[in-house]
Amino acid sequence: GIQVEQSPPDLILQEGANSTLRCNFSDSVNNLQWFHQNPWGQLINLFYIPSGTKQNGRLSATTVATERYSLLYISSSQTTDSGVYFCAAGSGNTGKLIFGQGTTLQVKP
Amino acid sequence: AAGVIQSPRHLIKEKRETATLKCYPIPRHDTVYWYQQGPGQDPQFLISFYEKMQSDKGSIPDRFSAQQFSDYHSELNMSSLELGDSALYFCASSSTKDRGLRGYTFGSGTRLTVV
Repeated sequence: GIQVEQSPPDLILQEGANSTLRCNFSDSVNNLQWFHQNPWGQLINLFYIPSGTKQNGRLSATTVATERYSLLYISSSQTTDSGVYFCAAGSGNTGKLIFGQGTTLQVKP
Repeated sequence: AAGVIQSPRHLIKEKRETATLKCYPIPRHDTVYWYQQGPGQDPQFLISFYEKMQSDKGSIPDRFSAQQFSDYHSELNMSSLELGDSALYFCASSSTKDRGLRGYTFGSGTRLTVV
């Protein structure tokens, strides 16, 4: 099955800094999503992006399907951006997602 | 906007007991997923339903079963609980029509503690 790897595993930023999180996947996918898990455990969908580029406020994501990677950009980071960022990928038609190990982000004031 | 509702939020059970987790998907979403997240781990896929029929199955123990009912809510039944079953259990829903726009929506999860 699909394997999903994320880097870096941990990231510490000062408030206001920018960052790039990477997700590599081992096979062709038709489903690629980024999630933020906040300190209370809630999983929030950030992007559904099996290909192309999307932007939502200070966040943007790019998936290059042919090269099997996706990037999540966070600009002007805020302390509320802290938490774990998961990339999850899937193929086939059932919608099942395989999650990466996550990137734990800490934004310091 | 309506979200995915899970109940209960927290559950404490003893070993060998049975637990039932409930999930109410977003109205008009046709697919429901269950995931298990152990401490410090990434979510692991358990099982999914499309239009009330099981559509996919992951590493779900034989002690666990799930179903989706006529009103589209889903229940995850867990028997002979073990200490290792302690985890966050998430339900998510999506629409095959809307997946391209919004992706999946997760509920707030049920935190199961087995003592």
